Amino acid sequence: KNEVEQSPQNLTAQEGEFITINCSYSVGISALHWLQQHPGGGIVSLFMLSSGKKKHGRLIATINIQEKHSSLHITASHPRDSAVYICAASPLGASGSRLTFGEGTQLTVNP
Amino acid sequence: EAQVTQNPRYLITVTGKKLTVTCSQNMNHEYMSWYRQDPGLGLRQIYYSMNVEVTDKGDVPEGYKVSRKEKRNFPLILESPSPNQTSLYFCASSARTANTEAFFGQGTRLTVV
Repeated sequence: KNEVEQSPQNLTAQEGEFITINCSYSVGISALHWLQQHPGGGIVSLFMLSSGKKKHGRLIATINIQEKHSSLHITASHPRDSAVYICAASPLGASGSRLTFGEGTQLTVNP
Repeated sequence: EAQVTQNPRYLITVTGKKLTVTCSQNMNHEYMSWYRQDPGLGLRQIYYSMNVEVTDKGDVPEGYKVSRKEKRNFPLILESPSPNQTSLYFCASSARTANTEAFFGQGTRLTVV
């Protein structure tokens, strides 16, 4: 069993739909990261959470430390949101470079 | 602009021919890491460094070497590449403080034939 698990693995949506990607982890963490990887391959950091909720534009990330679960929500989805979304856990006491990754969720948003 | 720069972006090489993938960051970060990404396996850590001259193995270190002689640079060395090292490689850096964002390079797509 992976220490970080994401669901779903693949997600297809119509433009405008509300999207949720889930991440569960089994290790103690100091932070949970959400990353985005576009078809060109580069990875960018979307959020880093240690508690509560963060919002950036149409993206919202939440974390429940007790349940060891995080969600990434995209409101009013758009084709440009099509990408792989990856959650990653920072072990307790470690920095962002010691990450354990989920396998990623391939999101496709159709016009 | 804060960035992590990897070179080359694409590389095709032959089995056994030593190669180096360079990684440089301009943010004065202490922590740097190398990851490989393979279909169905996701991202896995190869090596990481907590500061100059301090490196340690990650989850999949076999067949790789690293060095950290300067804070900004963290090259990945494949002394004798093999086809199973064909992969997409990422370098990342972050500050030493806990709960800090990781910055990733653009990736290096390596093919070993």
